[in-house]
Amino acid sequence: AAGVIQSPRHLIKEKRETATLKCYPIPRHDTVYWYQQGPGQDPQFLISFYEKMQSDKGSIPDRFSAQQFSDYHSELNMSSLELGDSALYFCASSPRRTYNEQFFGPGTRLTVL
Amino acid sequence: SQQGEEDPQALSIQEGENATMNCSYKTSINNLQWYRQNSGRGLVHLILIRSNEREKHSGRLRVTLDTSKKSSSLLITASRAADTASYFCATDVGDSSYKLIFGSGTRLLVRP
Repeated sequence: AAGVIQSPRHLIKEKRETATLKCYPIPRHDTVYWYQQGPGQDPQFLISFYEKMQSDKGSIPDRFSAQQFSDYHSELNMSSLELGDSALYFCASSPRRTYNEQFFGPGTRLTVL
Repeated sequence: SQQGEEDPQALSIQEGENATMNCSYKTSINNLQWYRQNSGRGLVHLILIRSNEREKHSGRLRVTLDTSKKSSSLLITASRAADTASYFCATDVGDSSYKLIFGSGTRLLVRP
């Protein structure tokens, strides 16, 4: 079965640079969630989209922005990167905005030097 | 963690033994989910239990939910070395938001 695809899988950036992470949800899933997991931490919700509109916002820095496109893929844009942004970034998708399971992608490991 | 805690934080058992992990949460919920994460890898969905359910089984997994105590437990029976991973519980917060709030996780080591 198709799973959530994230790219790139690994990304190394310098401080103050910009990064763009991409997420391709499972086909026919219209809801996308982004989570950040710091080293040794639990995943923290950043932002979600439903039908291409932002549906919920968590502890996402103002330096980050995201959007969902007409084909339902989503991109997380991160600017002015800081050392503390080094983390695993997960995208999850679900069919419709429901209290059902979210299917997670393999994550993008971002390292900021 | 924003929502709750898991205990123990770390658990080491022998292959073949059972492993029990507990999760507590703070708010009313619609459901509770358990995920598994191998070191630095993706989150794999294990099981979802709804707030009106008390117990659920899936293979070697048994999950219980006690909404009066705002707690859940995950039991893995007849553990295998391949079960070595971190286990997280995750809940919604019952406010018509569908985001997941994760517990702090239990690191399980199953010794061969």
